[in-house]
Amino acid sequence: KNEVEQSPQNLTAQEEEFITINCSYSVGISALHWLQQHPGGGIVSLFMLSSGKKKHGRLIATINIQEKHSSLHITASHPRDSAVYICAVTPYSGGGADGLTFGKGTHLIIQP
Amino acid sequence: GEEVAQTPKHLVRGEGQKAKLYCAPIKGHSYVFWYQQVLKNEFKFLISFQNENVFDETGMPKERFSAKCLPNSPCSLEIQATKLEDSAVYFCASSRQYYEQYFGPGTRLTVT
Repeated sequence: KNEVEQSPQNLTAQEEEFITINCSYSVGISALHWLQQHPGGGIVSLFMLSSGKKKHGRLIATINIQEKHSSLHITASHPRDSAVYICAVTPYSGGGADGLTFGKGTHLIIQP
Repeated sequence: GEEVAQTPKHLVRGEGQKAKLYCAPIKGHSYVFWYQQVLKNEFKFLISFQNENVFDETGMPKERFSAKCLPNSPCSLEIQATKLEDSAVYFCASSRQYYEQYFGPGTRLTVT
């Protein structure tokens, strides 16, 4: 069974700060997902990656398969980035309908 | 549709009553997933479907939980004889094979 660990659990930062959230997992995966859960509860998929790096606007996600580690970075953070960021993994099973295993999330607050 | 739809938004049931939740996946997505979020950040995978076939049900408490995805109907998750511990937000997600999962807004089930 895959264990997904995230750090930090809680993070409060000032607007414009560079934010890093880390995720590590214990066994092989086919993909890693970064999700954002808004205070209202809605979940948005930010990235799905299996190697390298992806960038979308001010968000950057990287993964190191050998180290079993991923990071999510937010540049020039803004109060609207305040949310829970969740790392989740798809197991390496070859199927297309494998359920995700989730980390416990990082609660991010960006203060103006 | 272009979004995963879930109904109802909120559901209140007395302990021992039945609860039925519905999910309409995005058109063209052949994979459907059900997740349970208990407390704020504890997600648990319940079951996944490939079209109308169960793909993985390892997370389902089978004695009281059942799920279906029939052609031309919303998918459903049914809980017989609800217990207090079933109180949670239930998320449905859909995807194409090996692509990111798109989450619905969730159904909040409160068992009293």
